[in-house]
Amino acid sequence: KAGVTQTPRYLIKTRGQQVTLSCSPISGHRSVSWYQQTPGQGLQFLFEYFSETQRNKGNFPGRFSGRQFSNSRSEMNVSTLELGDSALYLCASSPSVVSEQFFGPGTRLTVL
Amino acid sequence: KNEVEQSPQNLTAQEGEFITINCSYSVGISALHWLQQHPGGGIVSLFMLSSGKKKHGRLIATINIQEKHSSLHITASHPRDSAVYICAVRVQGAQKLVFGQGTRLTINP
Repeated sequence: KAGVTQTPRYLIKTRGQQVTLSCSPISGHRSVSWYQQTPGQGLQFLFEYFSETQRNKGNFPGRFSGRQFSNSRSEMNVSTLELGDSALYLCASSPSVVSEQFFGPGTRLTVL
Repeated sequence: KNEVEQSPQNLTAQEGEFITINCSYSVGISALHWLQQHPGGGIVSLFMLSSGKKKHGRLIATINIQEKHSSLHITASHPRDSAVYICAVRVQGAQKLVFGQGTRLTINP
């Protein structure tokens, strides 16, 4: 089976712009989670989707949003980018909400 | 205080040594994960535990639910084990993952 894929792998944006990141889960996996990793804060949970429904949301401002499509692919969007949004954004998929997660390679976002 | 605390934060050892990384948590959990992250960012799930002990090759993970503590052991360590090891707990009820700050392991040949 192909692993979790994320596009793009690298992205450079400027403050105030918006960005959309994409995640394709492992075939058959219905749960997709998103995480932000920064040197200062480490890994932090953003949100989790299962069967197109957001199940959980982390403590991030409303500028961070996401969605999941009927084929389980997921996107996350960050509007009005700030310098502090520079991070590695990781997506993970699993067959169900409480099972082992399989991580994608991440999208490295740099905000200038 | 963080909900998940790992120790040590950094660990350097010689090839062949027995390695132990500890994780303590302060919340009720439904599962605990051990993850490995190599330079470049890729994360691999090593174990998911809700009780007892699991072994995979040279890696062993244990969890004590009553004491809210888990350990990851590496036997016969090798330079390719050099990575950041991250403990994460799935919080009971909320079902979201909360991560420790990671332990940076360096194994010298």
